[in-house]
Amino acid sequence: EDQVTQSPEALRLQEGESSSLNCSYTVSGLRGLFWYRQDPGKGPEFLFTLYSAGEEKEKERLKATLTKKESFLHITAPKPEDSATYLCAVRSTSGGSYIPTFGRGTSLIVHP
Amino acid sequence: AAGVIQSPRHLIKEKRETATLKCYPIPRHDTVYWYQQGPGQDPQFLISFYEKMQSDKGSIPDRFSAQQFSDYHSELNMSSLELGDSALYFCASSLGLGGEAQYFGPGTRLLVL
Repeated sequence: EDQVTQSPEALRLQEGESSSLNCSYTVSGLRGLFWYRQDPGKGPEFLFTLYSAGEEKEKERLKATLTKKESFLHITAPKPEDSATYLCAVRSTSGGSYIPTFGRGTSLIVHP
Repeated sequence: AAGVIQSPRHLIKEKRETATLKCYPIPRHDTVYWYQQGPGQDPQFLISFYEKMQSDKGSIPDRFSAQQFSDYHSELNMSSLELGDSALYFCASSLGLGGEAQYFGPGTRLLVL
């Protein structure tokens, strides 16, 4: 069974204080790992897809990296508007299901 | 760029009533997914369709049904509503069933009184 664990559950940062969010996963074969940002009461917003170990993607202050067991979402010099819940999801090649498995998310608060 | 459209955005129903939620996927996307999200929870998968056929089934109650139409839009029909059905319902779409990302709509907030 695919498993996704995100840590920490919650993170408070000062504006400009860089940090990383972790997504550990267990799958028999990785079809894709996805990062989303979700604001309260809104739909998850797609950020990145990573397919293979060593791959990196960047967007503004965010950088996602992937190894064979985990992914990191690095946030450089965050701003208050980066405050949101960040969700990680994986799609595996095992079984007949094409449904991603989501982690519980990391709630990020950036204080000005 | 066009996004996933959901309607209505807000819905208030009484217990035992029925509700229909609609989802219009991103143009050219052939796969639609429905999720339910309670407060403080991650999205729970309900059901999905690929090329108008049911693809996967998650924790969807027997009181709910869904379908995907020829224009790829989808409807989630909910009957005999219960208080516990109050939640955010998201629709997502993707191109194919493989490694492509899902793109989520803004959600429908359902409140059952």
